[in-house]
Amino acid sequence: DTEVTQTPKHLVMGMTNKKSLKCEQHMGHRAMYWYKQKAKKPPELMFVYSYEKLSINESVPSRFSPECPNSSLLNLHLHALQPEDSALYLCASSFTDRGGSSYNSPLHFGNGTRLTVT
Amino acid sequence: GQQVMQIPQYQHVQEGEDFTTYCNSSTTLSNIQWYKQRPGGHPVFLIQLVKSGEVKKQKRLTFQFGEAKKNSSLHITATQTTDVGTYFCAGFLNAGNNRKLIWGLGTSLAVNP
Repeated sequence: DTEVTQTPKHLVMGMTNKKSLKCEQHMGHRAMYWYKQKAKKPPELMFVYSYEKLSINESVPSRFSPECPNSSLLNLHLHALQPEDSALYLCASSFTDRGGSSYNSPLHFGNGTRLTVT
Repeated sequence: GQQVMQIPQYQHVQEGEDFTTYCNSSTTLSNIQWYKQRPGGHPVFLIQLVKSGEVKKQKRLTFQFGEAKKNSSLHITATQTTDVGTYFCAGFLNAGNNRKLIWGLGTSLAVNP
């Protein structure tokens, strides 16, 4: 069982749709992440939030828009996606400190949202 | 750029045989983490190694971090069907403003019963 909850588990959307992925954790972690994972590949970092502030954006296209409403929630808003954006989207959380020393802390992943863009 | 090479890409073993996956970095790492991802699942953290030459064991799994903190290995003794999955190493690079977790490509393990 995972302590990081992601919804929905599966999502099929057209290229003109707008949808959102949601992630919730109650482990008291103040670093939260979005990763994208293609089949048979490692997770690829997209965004990092530290204390609800965006600290890393790995040059992700603007059709992906992250949001961190509070310390437990993380959203990823999707708009005008392309078929090549189809992938498993993973949320993760970890410990951090105010100095930003979070990135060497173990990641706790959610089950992921399997996204298909048609 | 910085890379973590992981070999082999695939490994197929008979149940009861041993299995080892290796990771090598071109750069000295602050630490290295190991994750397991079952088919259709999500990565699950296994362990983190921090010290030069560190060895840690979890039941049948033995993890090593090289003296130069550039390589690591995961060894499974007497594999079981429950060991099936992809094993990823992820090395943490901490050099000035460059802090990032660099993932290996993973080793996919299949176990024949």
